Amino acid sequence: AQKITQTQPGMFVQEKEAVTLDCTYDTSDQSYGLFWYKQPSSGEMIFLIYQGSYDEQNATEGRYSLNFQKARKSANLVISASQLGDSAMYFCAMRDDDYKLSFGAGTTVTVRA
Amino acid sequence: SQTIHQWPATLVQPVGSPLSLECTVEGTSNPNLYWYRQAAGRGLQLLFYSVGIGQISSEVPQNLSASRPQDRQFILSSKKLLLSDSGFYLCAWSVPEGWEETQYFGPGTRLLVL
Repeated sequence: AQKITQTQPGMFVQEKEAVTLDCTYDTSDQSYGLFWYKQPSSGEMIFLIYQGSYDEQNATEGRYSLNFQKARKSANLVISASQLGDSAMYFCAMRDDDYKLSFGAGTTVTVRA
Repeated sequence: SQTIHQWPATLVQPVGSPLSLECTVEGTSNPNLYWYRQAAGRGLQLLFYSVGIGQISSEVPQNLSASRPQDRQFILSSKKLLLSDSGFYLCAWSVPEGWEETQYFGPGTRLLVL
C-alpha cells in the first residue's frame, strides 16, 4: 500500500508568492516522522524540514513551514515568498519503521519571474 | 561537520559489465548507511541499508549487492549490469535516533546502461 501520496505532479507559482505542496500519509503507528526534501536539477536531495508525530507545533525552517494535520494524516509543505531558486522537485517522506523512509512520487515546482 | 561523497558522478556502462559505486561519509561514526535508486522523474526506491560494518539488509531482490567494508564506506556492486539498472543512485547516511532520525544524501551517481 502507498504510504505517502503526493497528488500534485507539477505546480507553477509566481515569484514572491506562497505555494502549498500536498502530502498525505498512511500509517497505523503512533510514532512516526515526516520529512520534506528538495531535489534541484543537479539531483542532490536536500533535507528541508521535519515534523514528529508527537510535535504539537507545526515545524518551521526559514521560509518553509509544515502544516501538520494529524487527524487528516496530512503534512503539507508551505513555501513562503517563493524565489527562482525554489524551482525543483519536492518529496514528502515518512519514517514509521526501522531505518526506512517511504517517499512520495514528488511534486515539481516551477517559480515564474 | 559531516560530508558525504559519491563517485563517480556519471557512468556509462555496457550491458553485462560489472559495477562498483562508492560512498563515503566524513565527520561521523557508526552511521546508518543507505543506497537508493531513482528512475527518471520518479520517487526513491530503497535498495540496501546498513547499521554497521558487514551488516547489510536488502530491500529489493535483484542483481545488485552492497557491502560495508569500513564504518563510513558503503559500496554498491553488480557482477553483470542489466538495462533496467539505469538510473540515479543516491547514498544517504543518518545518525541512529529512532523514528526521528534524518537521512542526508550524497550528490548521486547517474548510471546509464547501454
